[in-house]
Amino acid sequence: QKEVEQDPGPLSVPEGAIVSLNCTYSNSAFQYFMWYRQYSRKGPELLMYTYSSGNKEDGRFTAQVDKSSKYISLFIRDSQPSDSATYLCAMQETSGSRLTFGEGTQLTVNP
Amino acid sequence: EAGVAQSPRYKIIEKRQSVAFWCNPISGHATLYWYQQILGQGPKLLIQFQNNGVVDDSQLPKDRFSAERLKGVDSTLKIQPAKLEDSAVYLCASSLRSIPRAYEQYFGPGTRLTVT
Repeated sequence: QKEVEQDPGPLSVPEGAIVSLNCTYSNSAFQYFMWYRQYSRKGPELLMYTYSSGNKEDGRFTAQVDKSSKYISLFIRDSQPSDSATYLCAMQETSGSRLTFGEGTQLTVNP
Repeated sequence: EAGVAQSPRYKIIEKRQSVAFWCNPISGHATLYWYQQILGQGPKLLIQFQNNGVVDDSQLPKDRFSAERLKGVDSTLKIQPAKLEDSAVYLCASSLRSIPRAYEQYFGPGTRLTVT
């Protein structure tokens, strides 16, 4: 069983839609939860991170972590064509420095 | 601030040949990472350096992969001999610190390797 599971999609939505991206995990030691965005032919870039459980909002993006269910989500409001990319969840233990990534969800926002 | 530089951007080799990738991290970043990203998968850490020293190479196939970071700056990742399953994008990343904020990594554009 993979430590981090993520639906690879692809996901296609119209401009302005609310997008929900999700990951589940099995390692209880994960304490940092991140979302990276990766455009085609580029390296990943950090979008948001959350420590332990809770919500975090940054503009049109909201990250949620539910440690009791081992489930994290990223919501994108008022999605734009420029949001079209692959979104990777990643997790880290407090005591370690290795990031464990999900497979990534490919998102297309159609104008 | 200049980003993480990698070269070459693309490489095509035949199986059993050798190949080397180069990475120049962001100035001042002590921690350097090499990842392998197979098509349709997330990046997998191959090796992590803290300055000149190796912190984590538990997922590096040491029978064919090697990496070094001389003088705590640039790094080279080598594959010898290459196999078909090594076809992937090799990403280099760097960060100012590793624990606990390893997530603050800056990635280069990657080198896309095709082994035929």
